[in-house]
Amino acid sequence: GEDVEQSLFLSVREGDSSVINCTYTDSSSTYLYWYKQEPGAGLQLLTYIFSNMDMKQDQRLTVLLNKKDKHLSLRIADTQTGDSAIYFCAESKDGNKLVFGAGTILRVKS
Amino acid sequence: DSGVTQTPKHLITATGQRVTLRCSPRSGDLSVYWYQQSLDQGLQFLIQYYNGEERAKGNILERFSAQQFPDLHSELNLSSLELGDSALYFCASSVGLVYEQYFGPGTRLTVT
Repeated sequence: GEDVEQSLFLSVREGDSSVINCTYTDSSSTYLYWYKQEPGAGLQLLTYIFSNMDMKQDQRLTVLLNKKDKHLSLRIADTQTGDSAIYFCAESKDGNKLVFGAGTILRVKS
Repeated sequence: DSGVTQTPKHLITATGQRVTLRCSPRSGDLSVYWYQQSLDQGLQFLIQYYNGEERAKGNILERFSAQQFPDLHSELNLSSLELGDSALYFCASSVGLVYEQYFGPGTRLTVT
């Protein structure tokens, strides 16, 4: 099927690392994405990884890709209260459209 | 700010009506995508245009149509509106056909 799956909720303490997991379906996906959505706002592209990479680091964000298991994770180091949001994993299918997961609500406790 | 603009920000209309949502892509982007976000369906791809031509269709209803104009802005037309069409409609753009997509702030449509 087309389902991209994510855990629905994650709660962490400020300063800790957050790890949000995702499994996708299409081994031919060119790009895999992480988007952030704050309440009442649009989707902010956080980072993306090409399917031929295993890891990508961008400041506090680390993306790990396990192609064999079709597993993608987003690690946020030193999580801050401003990181509280919904995080969406998405895969590109058929060369162009994005298929999104249901989103993971990240709650950061101070 | 992604550089993608959408108007209007909010739209309230009645069942049976027709509305037009507008999107301006980032400067230089040729590809425009439309997505619908609703509580029950999540984020769903509707349709893609590339340099004025339709490239891909997703779960777009027959009552919905879109086009991309020569200046590359795009419009999504929703007609015979039903209560279930209430959702956030996002436009995204990318440089080409297989590149990262940047999303606009969305148009929140409420059908009463």
